[in-house]
Amino acid sequence: ELKVEQNPLFLSMQEGKNYTIYCNYSTTSDRLYWYRQDPGKSLESLFVLLSNGAVKQEGRLMASLDTKARLSTLHITAAVHDLSATYFCAVDKETSGSRLTFGEGTQLTVNP
Amino acid sequence: NAGVTQTPKFRVLKTGQSMTLLCAQDMNHEYMYWYRQDPGMGLRLIHYSVGEGTTAKGEVPDGYNVSRLKKQNFLLGLESAAPSQTSVYFCASSYWGDYGYTFGSGTRLTVV
Repeated sequence: ELKVEQNPLFLSMQEGKNYTIYCNYSTTSDRLYWYRQDPGKSLESLFVLLSNGAVKQEGRLMASLDTKARLSTLHITAAVHDLSATYFCAVDKETSGSRLTFGEGTQLTVNP
Repeated sequence: NAGVTQTPKFRVLKTGQSMTLLCAQDMNHEYMYWYRQDPGMGLRLIHYSVGEGTTAKGEVPDGYNVSRLKKQNFLLGLESAAPSQTSVYFCASSYWGDYGYTFGSGTRLTVV
């Protein structure tokens, strides 16, 4: 059974600081996704990581993937209040019908 | 381009009542999914479909039934609602052989 674990689950940080959210998964997967969710809203796709060593950056967020360690990281650089949200990682395998398995989510609060 | 549309957006049910949630997509996606989201547990897969006329169980299927009579629609039914089914329900769709999922805006269901 595929399991996805994120840590930390709650993160409170000051504006301007850097931090990393970790995502571990239990079995080989084809793709890793990062999503953002604002309260009461749907999921917004941030990144899709397809291969070992993949790195993608968008603004203050950078995601990376190490398939050998079964680990993805979401690094936040110089946080701003607008980044406050819940972040989910998820993985899927095309051979299993391409269905996503999600982590528990990391609730990020950026304080002034 | 509507994407994935869920109806209704909100609903309050009494224990034992039944209801159907509708998910409609206009992107000609083969795969469709129903997830539920509960605090601290991420999104969990209820049922999914890999094509018209097919359905399969996900991680938490008990108490739910689904149907996919038309490619563009995926229905989630609760035959006898229970308070444990209070949750936010998300529908998603994806295209076979491609990556990336499109999520609906969610249905907030309360069972009292």
